This record gives sequence, structure tokens and C-alpha cells, in this order.
Amino acid sequence: EIVLTQSPGTLSLSPGERATLSCRASQSVNRNYLAWYQQKPGQAPRLLIYGASSRATGIPDRISGSGSGADFTLTISRLEPEDFAVYYCQQYGSTPLTFGGGTKVEIK
Amino acid sequence: EVQLLESGGGLVQPGGSLRLSCAASGFTFSSYAVSWVCQAPGKGLEWVSAISGDGRKTYYADSVKGRFTISRDNSKNTLYLQMNSLRAEDTAVYYCARELSASGFFDNWGQGTLVTVSS
Repeated sequence: EIVLTQSPGTLSLSPGERATLSCRASQSVNRNYLAWYQQKPGQAPRLLIYGASSRATGIPDRISGSGSGADFTLTISRLEPEDFAVYYCQQYGSTPLTFGGGTKVEIK
Repeated sequence: EVQLLESGGGLVQPGGSLRLSCAASGFTFSSYAVSWVCQAPGKGLEWVSAISGDGRKTYYADSVKGRFTISRDNSKNTLYLQMNSLRAEDTAVYYCARELSASGFFDNWGQGTLVTVSS
């Protein structure tokens, strides 16, 4: 099973600042099959990124994904009020599918 | 519009059973693999089980293998999760989620149904 470790656990930033979230895998993720989701309180997760760097439908270009192998990054170039949430990475290159523990982006 | 609507959650005693349902609409249900993903209160996401579009292939997390059974009725556009021998650690919100292109990542999620296992 591939273990995904997300860091930091909490990121305290102000609107307009840049957010950089890390997701590291315990082994290389096949074909860079890595997705990112955003979840707000009381809501279901929303797909942001798949294939490490492809934006899902309707996701603004201030949100981007990068990385390969076992090291991946989600970047939000300029935080908007609606971006404050919890973010999860997920690998789908091998079963079982696994998620990281999440990074909370909170308002400083 | 794609919609996934879970139902069937509730309070059940340890060792008991529950069947969750997920009604799908707005897309050709039989063309998509779907999964159940759970989230314990205040915790992260955990994949539980998946089923192929035609229902012939099923997959389970080790934590539920032998206790949970995933199935689907494509004539009713509905996904199921039969949960037996429930444990306190199964307490969670259970989401159904559609896989894009049977790839293993999820482009649409339901709002979830809460399962509480407690005496």
C-alpha cells in the first residue's frame, strides 16, 4: 500500500498570498496517477487536479499541480476567500487507492 | 447535471448490518465505475470499495474485505454497499463517488450518509 504524507498539516496564510502544499508518497506513483481534492466543512470533496497536473473542469488557473515519481505539489498562486479549505491528495496508480491525511489552509 | 444521492445510513449496534444506497442521475450510470469512500468524524478520506461499470469486477480495502459487499443495479441506476459485522471504527460518513474513465480518481461525489456504530 502506498502511504501519502501531506505537509504541512496546517497552512496559515492571508488572501492574496501563495500556498504551496506537499504530498509525498512512500514509493513512486505509477504513471504519476495523483489527484488533488478540496473539501469545505460539511461538503463532499471536489476534484481539482488529476494526472498530477491536469485541471478538472471549472478549476481556475490560479490552482496548479506539479511533480512526479513520489513528490507532488499543489500550488494556489493567489489565495481567494473561497480557497480556505482542506486539501487531500490521492494516488490511483495502484490498489488500494489511498489518500493523504490532508492539509488545512486557514486564514491568518 | 450529474447527481449522486446516498441513503441508508443511521445508528446500528456493533455486529449489526446496514445497506447503503446511492441513486445516480444525469449520466449513463452503467458506463462508469463507482466507489464508496468514507470519512470518520474529523478525519481524512479512506477508500472502501469499487465496482466496475458492468458490475463484474469488485475491489475492497483490507479493512472491510469479507464484511462489506459492493453491488450495483444498472437498471435502477443505483449503487449499494451491504455492511455486515459492523464495528465502532466503521463509524463515518460514506460517500459514493464516480470514477472518471474507470481511472481511479473521482470527478463527482454525493453528499454522503452518516453511519454510526454504537451500543
